[in-house]
Formats: sequence, structure tokens, C-alpha cells
Amino acid sequence: DIQMTQSPSTLSASVGDRVTITCRASQSISSWLAWYQQKPGKAPKLLIYKASSLESGVPSRFSGSGSGTEFTLTISSLQPDDFATYYCQQYNSEWTFGQGTKVEIK
Amino acid sequence: EVQLVESGGGLVQPGGSLRLSCAASGFTFSSYAMSWVRQAPGKGLEWVSAISGSGGSTYYADSVKGRFTISRDNSKNTLYLQMNSLRAEDTAVYYCAKGEYSGSYLFYFDYWGQGTLVTVSS
Repeated sequence: DIQMTQSPSTLSASVGDRVTITCRASQSISSWLAWYQQKPGKAPKLLIYKASSLESGVPSRFSGSGSGTEFTLTISSLQPDDFATYYCQQYNSEWTFGQGTKVEIK
Repeated sequence: EVQLVESGGGLVQPGGSLRLSCAASGFTFSSYAMSWVRQAPGKGLEWVSAISGSGGSTYYADSVKGRFTISRDNSKNTLYLQMNSLRAEDTAVYYCAKGEYSGSYLFYFDYWGQGTLVTVSS
């Protein structure tokens, strides 16, 4: 089974900050990685697929990069609506989520 | 507009059974794989099961293999999850999600339902 490890688990930031979340896979998953945003009491929302492809309707301040085993999600300028929990997910071999990164207000 | 509406959650005793449903609309249901993902209270997301568009291929997480069965009725645009031998650790919000292909057979989840809560407790 492929394990996904996100860091950090919690991130404190201010509006306007550049934020980077890292996701590592236990083995190579090529570019078969997605990122989701989840707010309390809500369903997850797809942000990025195939490591760097922006889902339609998602603001361009979100970007993804990486391949193989190392991936990043970057928010270029954090907005009030972005305070949420973010999950990476590999879909190279079945499906596995990272443990999540909570982005909170500093 | 894609809509996924789960139902069937509730309180069940350990060892009991429950069947979840997910009614889909706004897309050609039979053309897309579907999946169930769960989230225990205060915890992260856990993939549970997936099924191909035809229903001919099914996939299960080790934690539910042999106890849960995923199925679909393409004539009714509905996805199901039959859950047997339920345990306290199966307590979670269960989401259904639509698969979007990225590559020949690999897919991620582009639309999610609002979830249905399953509580396993005596």
C-alpha cells in the first residue's frame, strides 16, 4: 500500500501570506496526485489533479507541483476563504489520502 | 449541474447492517466510476470502496474488505454501499464521490455528496 505523509499538520498564517504544504508518497506515484480543500461540516472540494492541473473554477492563487514522491500545494496569497484543511490523495494505486494540513489564522 | 445525494445513514448496533445510497444526477452516470470515502469524527479522509462505470470492477480498502459491498444500478443512477458486521470504528460520515478519469484507468474524485452519518454504537 502507498502511504501519503503531509507536512505540516497545522499551519498558522495571515491573510496575504504565501503558504506551502508538502506531501510525500512512500513510493513513486508519477503525477497521479490530487489536492482537496475541506471546510468544517462540508464535503471536500477538488483543487488540483494530476499534480499541477487546476480544477475549473478554482482561483489561480492555488498551484501544485511535483512528481514521483514529492509534491507541494502553494497558495500564493492567502485569502480569508482559504482557512481550511487540505488533503493530498494519490490515485496511482487505488486511493490514499494524506492525514491533512489545517491552515489556521495566525 | 452534478448532484450527489447520500441517504441511509443512522444509528446501528455493533454487528448490524446498513445500506447507504447515493442518488446521482447531472451527468451520464454509467460512464463514470464512483467511490465511497469516509471521515470519522474529527479525523481525516479514508477511501473505502470504488466501482467502475459498468459495475464490473470493484475495489475495497483492507479495513472493510469482506464486510462491505459496493454496487450500482445504472438504470436508477444510484450507487450503493452495503455494510455488514459493523464495528464501532466504522462510525463516520460517508461521502459518495464521482470519479474523473486521468489516464486510461486512473481516476480522482471531482464531485462529492454532502455525506451521511453512520454511528455504530450499542
